[in-house]
Amino acid sequence: DIQLTQSPSFLSASVGDRVTISCRASQVISRSLAWYQLEPGKAPKLLIYAASTLQSGVPSRFGGSGSGTEFTLTISSLQPEDFATYYCQQLKNYPLTFGGGTKVEIK
Amino acid sequence: QVQLVQSGAEVKKPGASVTISCKASGYTFTSYSIYWVRQAPGQGLEWMGIINPSGGTTSYAQKFQGRVTLTRDTSTTTVYMELSSLRSEDTALYYCARAIGLAADYWGQGTLVTVSS
Repeated sequence: DIQLTQSPSFLSASVGDRVTISCRASQVISRSLAWYQLEPGKAPKLLIYAASTLQSGVPSRFGGSGSGTEFTLTISSLQPEDFATYYCQQLKNYPLTFGGGTKVEIK
Repeated sequence: QVQLVQSGAEVKKPGASVTISCKASGYTFTSYSIYWVRQAPGQGLEWMGIINPSGGTTSYAQKFQGRVTLTRDTSTTTVYMELSSLRSEDTALYYCARAIGLAADYWGQGTLVTVSS
């Protein structure tokens, strides 16, 4: 199975901050990666797929980059509604594994 | 609009089985695979398996092989997930999700399964 390691697992930030979350794959997955946002009591929300393609309706402050084994999710200016947990997921091989998650909290 | 509506919460005893349904609407059912993801309390997301509603082909995570079965009913546009030999560690929120290029663009509301004696 492909392992995904996210870092950090927790970060504290303020509204307006630029936030970067990393996801490292245990083997090359080209650009077969998605990012999701998970808020308590809500279903996960797809933010980005194919490493950098913004899902329809997702604000442009979210951005994804990377290929191979190293990927990044960036939130250019953190908004109050962005405080949530973020997961990466590899879409290269079954099982479609997830990273361990990054919880973004208010500083 | 695309919707995935799951069945309600379940409470089961260890060793029992549970079946959760996921009714799809608002799109062509056989054009998109559906997969299942769970989240145990305080834990991350865990992928369980996927079904192609067109031919019914499935793939399961090794961890759940032999315990999970995905089926579909094209007449009612519903996918079912059966998990057997339940144990306390299976207590979790279970989601179905529609796969577009294997990314999950629409999700069900989640079904809480509690396994307790």
